[in-house]
Amino acid sequence: NAGVTQTPKFRILKIGQSMTLQCTQDMNHNYMYWYRQDPGMGLKLIYYSVGAGITDKGEVPNGYNVSRSTTEDFPLRLELAAPSQTSVYFCASSYRGGNEKLFFGSGTQLSVL
Amino acid sequence: GENVEQHPSTLSVQEGDSAVIKCTYSDSASNYFPWYKQELGKGPQLIIDIRSNVGEKKDQRIAVTLNKTAKHFSLHITETQPEDSAVYFCAATGNQFYFGTGTSLTVIP
Repeated sequence: NAGVTQTPKFRILKIGQSMTLQCTQDMNHNYMYWYRQDPGMGLKLIYYSVGAGITDKGEVPNGYNVSRSTTEDFPLRLELAAPSQTSVYFCASSYRGGNEKLFFGSGTQLSVL
Repeated sequence: GENVEQHPSTLSVQEGDSAVIKCTYSDSASNYFPWYKQELGKGPQLIIDIRSNVGEKKDQRIAVTLNKTAKHFSLHITETQPEDSAVYFCAATGNQFYFGTGTSLTVIP
């Protein structure tokens, strides 16, 4: 059982480049989330989805976009990368939402130079 | 939205001693309080959680207590071991998860 799988694990981008962080889960979870983790700042919610075709903004959505065409996949798109987007990104999923255990992927470390 | 504060930010203990991490929250509607452990280079993993209708929960060497009136909850780790060294996050949730800023725990052999 793979759980939540994120790719890539590491990436270096130049300012202004774009990229997509991939996330897939095999647990048939309805809810999926993208968080960023900055040193000393905890986890901040970027976007979330309650099911295929439904997405919504979290605390820090600016500079990002998401889509949810299937239950399994929830990619995060960075357009026009900026140094402020240097962070570690985690995808997570849960079956029903805010009152349940979150399953996290292993993270993507992104540097924008 | 919810505001979760976590203290201390770093904690060092001798192997075998106890460790306590405290969190406060602001939204009285929050009703689920999980604790996550994050080892270096990995994603956070749930270690224990508590719901608002319970005051205390134990799982072997780990326990969590909740004081709804004061809006604070704590993680207690007894008989600490080197493998307990990690970053620990608390969270408070209603519809969304709001995380604390993390506590880096070091257990000194």
